[in-house]
Amino acid sequence: GESVGLHLPTLSVQEGDNSIINCAYSNSASDYFIWYKQESGKGPQFIIDIRSNMDKRQGQRVTVLLNKTVKHLSLQIAATQPGDSAVYFCAEKANTGRRALTFGSGTRLQVQP
Amino acid sequence: DAGVIQSPRHEVTEMGQEVTLRCKPISGHNSLFWYRQTMMRGLELLIYFNNNVPIDDSGMPEDRFSAKMPNASFSTLKIQPSEPRDSAVYFCASSSGALSTDTQYFGPGTRLTVL
Repeated sequence: GESVGLHLPTLSVQEGDNSIINCAYSNSASDYFIWYKQESGKGPQFIIDIRSNMDKRQGQRVTVLLNKTVKHLSLQIAATQPGDSAVYFCAEKANTGRRALTFGSGTRLQVQP
Repeated sequence: DAGVIQSPRHEVTEMGQEVTLRCKPISGHNSLFWYRQTMMRGLELLIYFNNNVPIDDSGMPEDRFSAKMPNASFSTLKIQPSEPRDSAVYFCASSSGALSTDTQYFGPGTRLTVL
């Protein structure tokens, strides 16, 4: 049969607006979370991380919120710019000592000028 | 500072040929990861090394895939024989391996096309 490609959810925002990208994770043992940005033709680029003993962490124009109760992670981008257009991935690591990250499927952010 | 370096950036080969992808991690990092990214399956971990030792290769698709890390500054991912379904972008990433900060830094990737 015909194969179906991975459908990425898309968030479209106006330049200057704030963006919120959400991610749900399933592993209760996850204790470390990272947001990556991937531009077309490039590798994922680290944006911000957060450990499970925190519920909020801020960077430059970005904030990550962690809600362990509902296993939810969000990335907030303030004053979104055209250069923010990319696919954003959340990744999690379990507290089992295993180094490997598990990546979400990604969200495409489109910034309209 | 040099990031993770991968070569080649693009590879086009015919089915049945051997393909070797190369990676140089960030100096001082002791963990190295190989990922594959496709539209169908997203970003998948294939294998990772810690201090040059393979720790988890459960993501390696089948025996046609093999990875080595002969020293701290070099790793290879080999596919022999290659098949069209191996077409993907292959990323290498490295991290310092410290438990408190396991941030992985990715290379630019190798886009592999198997005809």
